[in-house]
Amino acid sequence: ETGVTQSPTHLIKTRGQQVTLRCSSQSGHNTVSWYQQALGQGPQFIFQYYREEENGRGNFPPRFSGLQFPNYSSELNVNALELDDSALYLCASRSSVLQGAETQYFGPGTRLLVL
Amino acid sequence: AQSVTQLDSQVPVFEEAPVELRCNYSSSVSVYLFWYVQYPNQGLQLLLKYLSGSTLVKGINGFEAEFNKSQTSFHLRKPSVHISDTAEYFCAVSGRMNYGGSQGNLIFGKGTKLSVKP
Repeated sequence: ETGVTQSPTHLIKTRGQQVTLRCSSQSGHNTVSWYQQALGQGPQFIFQYYREEENGRGNFPPRFSGLQFPNYSSELNVNALELDDSALYLCASRSSVLQGAETQYFGPGTRLLVL
Repeated sequence: AQSVTQLDSQVPVFEEAPVELRCNYSSSVSVYLFWYVQYPNQGLQLLLKYLSGSTLVKGINGFEAEFNKSQTSFHLRKPSVHISDTAEYFCAVSGRMNYGGSQGNLIFGKGTKLSVKP
């Protein structure tokens, strides 16, 4: 069983640029969530995708957007990067139909540094 | 709305000593409760979870946690820690959800850094 994978592992951008982070969900999982973990903090929910549509969002501005593809993989896009966007971005997947649907499984994360 | 409070930001302990990491939550709905561990420069790994039934749940690496509804707590314990348990531990809560529903998102505490010394 393949776990959640994310790419790239590290990324450096400058303020104002745009970035795309990618996530492949665990086999059999059709729901993907993204979290932002700032240094020294717990992860914060950005949004969730199910059936290729956003169906839940945390307190993040519209410049954070995403996509989910038919194979359940997902992208997180951040426009107009700000210094405070520097963080570890975690992707998590879960099933909506299999036993254990309440449990999210996390990838290793993408560490983004905005200069 | 839900929230999670982890009462200790750092817990130093000697190897082979017992440890308890405290977690309290607040919620207006029934919840699921989770503990995740994060090793340096890594993602989150599920330690254990409480969904329903027995209030004492056992997880990986010898950890266990007890759900106390009246005290809205879900403290994590291990009777004897190892150097390899040094990591950051996160308590999280989610609302009981409908399949595919948005209630499944996790609310995390700020984490407790466990430092095991020889």
